[in-house]
Amino acid sequence: EEQLVESGGGLAQPGGSLRLACEASGFTFGTYAMSWVRQAPGKGLEYVSGISNSGGSISYADSVKGRFTISRDNSKNFLSLQMNTLRAEDTAVYYCARLARTGDPFNYYHYMDVWGKGTTVTVSS
Amino acid sequence: DIQMTQSPSSLSASVGDRITITCRASQSIRTYLNWYQQKPGKAPRLLIYAASSLQSGVPSRFSGSGSRTDFTLTISSLQSEDFATYYCQQSYNALQITFGQGTKLEMK
Repeated sequence: EEQLVESGGGLAQPGGSLRLACEASGFTFGTYAMSWVRQAPGKGLEYVSGISNSGGSISYADSVKGRFTISRDNSKNFLSLQMNTLRAEDTAVYYCARLARTGDPFNYYHYMDVWGKGTTVTVSS
Repeated sequence: DIQMTQSPSSLSASVGDRITITCRASQSIRTYLNWYQQKPGKAPRLLIYAASSLQSGVPSRFSGSGSRTDFTLTISSLQSEDFATYYCQQSYNALQITFGQGTKLEMK
């Protein structure tokens, strides 16, 4: 079974740090781009960051740029999100999602087809 | 950044109804549009990718259409398990993805 399991959430103080991890199983992790998506309490989904299968291409939402760092270890099937200088508005459930693609090299369609259950991050003093 | 706007924000309907949710992009995204369903306390579930392709295992009462800036998700005959929140998502740039604000589908 293709599965993603997040860990590392918890309570952090404003200005503090947390490191989230996502362990993949049941598929060839190194062949997929991966992403983090978050959902603040009672709010919609927000794309946080994405990383290509090799790690060579990375993107961040403007709201986390310069504070969060995404990385991956294809040998261990792990995706990580280092979150620094945390703010109250970073409070959310953080989901790890696989970015599948279909099509041809001139026209790839990407979509998030496997999701973890999420890990909760609370930033509060 | 490409902005995605869904309408309506909420919708009341009954079992058996046909419903349509609309998603508009701030610029042309061709057919790089996906739809997700989310139930309370659960992770999102992919329904439709590439604007109109049904994800494996998703019932055929779900369908998607549209291109460039205007897209729709249709549920042909609502079932009780379909009451949830629905999100559109653009993947025109695979690593600069954005979601719509969501449409909450409630039972009338």
